[in-house]
Amino acid sequence: AQKITQTQPGMFVQEKEAVTLDCTYDTSDQSYGLFWYKQPSSGEMIFLIYQGSYDEQNATEGRYSLNFQKARKSANLVISASQLGDSAMYFCAMREIDSGGYQKVTFGTGTKLQVIP
Amino acid sequence: EAQVTQNPRYLITVTGKKLTVTCSQNMNHEYMSWYRQDPGLGLRQIYYSMNVEVTDKGDVPEGYKVSRKEKRNFPLILESPSPNQTSLYFCASGEVDNSPLHFGNGTRLTVT
Repeated sequence: AQKITQTQPGMFVQEKEAVTLDCTYDTSDQSYGLFWYKQPSSGEMIFLIYQGSYDEQNATEGRYSLNFQKARKSANLVISASQLGDSAMYFCAMREIDSGGYQKVTFGTGTKLQVIP
Repeated sequence: EAQVTQNPRYLITVTGKKLTVTCSQNMNHEYMSWYRQDPGLGLRQIYYSMNVEVTDKGDVPEGYKVSRKEKRNFPLILESPSPNQTSLYFCASGEVDNSPLHFGNGTRLTVT
């Protein structure tokens, strides 16, 4: 089974509109972290936002917010007021630490977002 | 400046010719990891290291080796590269907790 599922291979959004990128995850651990990264066409991985499994509030970072629904195991990224520079690939990722202290970081397959002027 | 440095950025080689991709971080992170990125597959973990001399396999370790002799360095070794290892490779480092990983700028490897 996929640990991280991003069901939207590609999306379009009008400039200045908000967009939601979906991410669902699968884990039996109680402690885990969820992340979103942006990868522009230049290729680097840019960290956007983080949500801890014990955090009660949804994370926000400027125009980015993470809609965390623990019971549904979803961690959707919301980008408000889209800009042309938001056009990129977006990856959802999960980091787990097992009882032995070993870490596992799993990425989804990504969503390519294109912002239309 | 806190960073993860990978070298080289681009590499073209031939089947069977051993190569090493270097990775170095200056943040004193204990955790380091290698990923490969392929279209439609996202990033898949190759190997990771929890500390010096502690390494373990990720999801796609076949054909790769790593070593962690010093905390700051985590080289990726391809003893006998094959065309199916043509990919974009990322090194990452982080604290040993649920905090974000820091990524290098990637190495685009082509094996002919």
